[in-house]
Parts: sequence; structure tokens; C-alpha cells
Amino acid sequence: DSGVTQTPKHLITATGQRVTLRCSPRSGDLSVYWYQQSLDQGLQFLIQYYNGEERAKGNILERFSAQQFPDLHSELNLSSLELGDSALYFCASSGGQGAGQFFGPGTRLTVL
Amino acid sequence: AQKITQTQPGMFVQEKEAVTLDCTYDTSDQSYGLFWYKQPSSGEMIFLIYQGSYDEQNATEGRYSLNFQKARKSANLVISASQLGDSAMYFCAMRLHTGANSKLTFGKGITLSVRP
Repeated sequence: DSGVTQTPKHLITATGQRVTLRCSPRSGDLSVYWYQQSLDQGLQFLIQYYNGEERAKGNILERFSAQQFPDLHSELNLSSLELGDSALYFCASSGGQGAGQFFGPGTRLTVL
Repeated sequence: AQKITQTQPGMFVQEKEAVTLDCTYDTSDQSYGLFWYKQPSSGEMIFLIYQGSYDEQNATEGRYSLNFQKARKSANLVISASQLGDSAMYFCAMRLHTGANSKLTFGKGITLSVRP
């Protein structure tokens, strides 16, 4: 158990819909990262937050947004969903620049 | 930009034998970290081992060791005494230590199957 929690574990929805994925980092970790894993793109970095502030952006679509709350949990919002958004979405947390990143169990999103 | 290359096809190893999973990387930065993660069929990403670019000794964690050859830009994972539970996908990843972005850049992964 990495100490990072993600909910829900599975999510099935339809095209055009909006979903919210939730992540709670390990106790004490200030950084939260979101990654998307799909068969064709592999593991891709989406966005990073540090202590409530956006720190870095990767290949995140404009239809996607995220935030980190004062209690350090984070949410990833995916809207106007398309079939191609079906993927495994991971949240990871770390304690600092030189620290390892620990991954949550992931949320498997299926868009029908 | 940094890049991780994992080109081995699916790997097979006999139980109790050692296996090496290859990883090469490319970056112009001098300060970086290299990671290996294991992803079993259940899907979770499990952190295995870390090597810093300035670490003089190769990292070891139990049955896992990292063969770090900086001049060749390679960071191969060695698993000793393979177990059936080692069957999984293995990802090599890199993170730069400079700048504000500490994202991980992943390779495409290698599938390891351990035979009884």
C-alpha cells in the first residue's frame, strides 16, 4: 500500500459526460501529480500541483482541469468525454523535489 | 527534453534465475533521478528502486539492483532469484532535478514472465 488513495476505482460513462476523479496523497506529501495511461500513448504526465498551486502542465487537454485543495487532496475533472479518453488515470504524490513518487491504485475510466 | 527507451520484447526467465531489464535514457541535464516501477496485471504502479545521477554506488533494494552506467546513459534493472510474483510490466522513468517541473517521463515498459 503506497498510502495514496484514489476514488473511484472504476468509472463507466458515456461520451459527452463529465467526471471527477479524486486523489488523497500520502500523509505529509505536498506534491500531487496526475498521469494518464493508455495503450497507444503509454504513461503520460498531465499536471502537477504543489501545496495548492499548479506547478507544471504536461499533455493535458483543455477539456481536463485539476485542482488541489487546502487539505492537499486533488481532483481531476474530465469533461466532454470522448471514446479516446478511456484510460487508467493515476495520481502520485511526493514529499519534495528529490523524493520518489508514490502512485495510487488508479481510476480506470471507460467511455462508451 | 528527456527520453526513456525500453526496447526489449517480452522477457522470459526461469524461476530462481536472475534477469536484466534494459533502460537507456537521454537528457542534457546533469542532475536527474532514475526510477523503476512494477505494474502487475492488477494495474497498480509499485515503486521499486531509485538512482540519482550523482550517486556513486549502484542502488540496491532487496532482490532489485540498478546497474547504472552514466557514460552509456543506461540504467538497467537486475532482479535476482526471480519469483512467480515478479511477472509484471516494468517501467523505467526519469525525473530532472532542475527546474520546477518534477514530472516523471516513462519508457514504454517491458513485460516480464517468470516460468515455474
